[in-house]
Amino acid sequence: DTGVSQDPRHKITKRGQNVTFRCDPISEHNRLYWYRQTLGQGPEFLTYFQNEAQLEKSRLLSDRFSAERPKGSFSTLEIQRTEQGDSAMYLCASSLNEEREWETQYFGPGTRLLVL
Amino acid sequence: AQSVTQPDIHITVSEGASLELRCNYSYGATPYLFWYVQSPGQGLQLLLKYFSGDTLVQGIKGFEAEFKRSQSSFNLRKPSVHWSDAAEYFCAVGASDDYKLSFGAGTTVTVRA
Repeated sequence: DTGVSQDPRHKITKRGQNVTFRCDPISEHNRLYWYRQTLGQGPEFLTYFQNEAQLEKSRLLSDRFSAERPKGSFSTLEIQRTEQGDSAMYLCASSLNEEREWETQYFGPGTRLLVL
Repeated sequence: AQSVTQPDIHITVSEGASLELRCNYSYGATPYLFWYVQSPGQGLQLLLKYFSGDTLVQGIKGFEAEFKRSQSSFNLRKPSVHWSDAAEYFCAVGASDDYKLSFGAGTTVTVRA
């Protein structure tokens, strides 16, 4: 059994460059979430997908951020024209939506982004 | 909207001593409550969760938590800590009409020999 995986684990980029992160959820999970965690803080919600549909986006997700989940499997998070304030850990989580129970989100190891 | 407060930023405890981490939530209805642990540079691992039923829940690694509706609290406890318990601990709350989790700022636990 594999859990949630994320790639890359670390990314260093220069301000103004574009970066893309990938998340592979647990195989049968239909919901996928992206969170951002800055130093000394808890994770903050960015967006989530049910299957391939993006159902909610946080105000934190500026126009420079875009997320996709083609075919309802893996997801990508792209940041265009990166800024130093984008430096953070980007966490992906997945869950299985079942009608009778609020689902548990399982997290990946995260992608740590440093913008120079 | 729901929110979580973890009053203690940092706790130091001796190995073998007991540990209690505080968590207070704000939400008008019955919350869904979670404790996650994060080791340095790693993702979040679920320790335990409360959805309904028995207010004392058992989790992995010998942790337990108690839901107290009257105090809006969900404190995490462990009777005897091990050096490997040194990590950052996050309390999170979910709402019945919302799928995202709201996290506290976390409590860093240091274990001294």
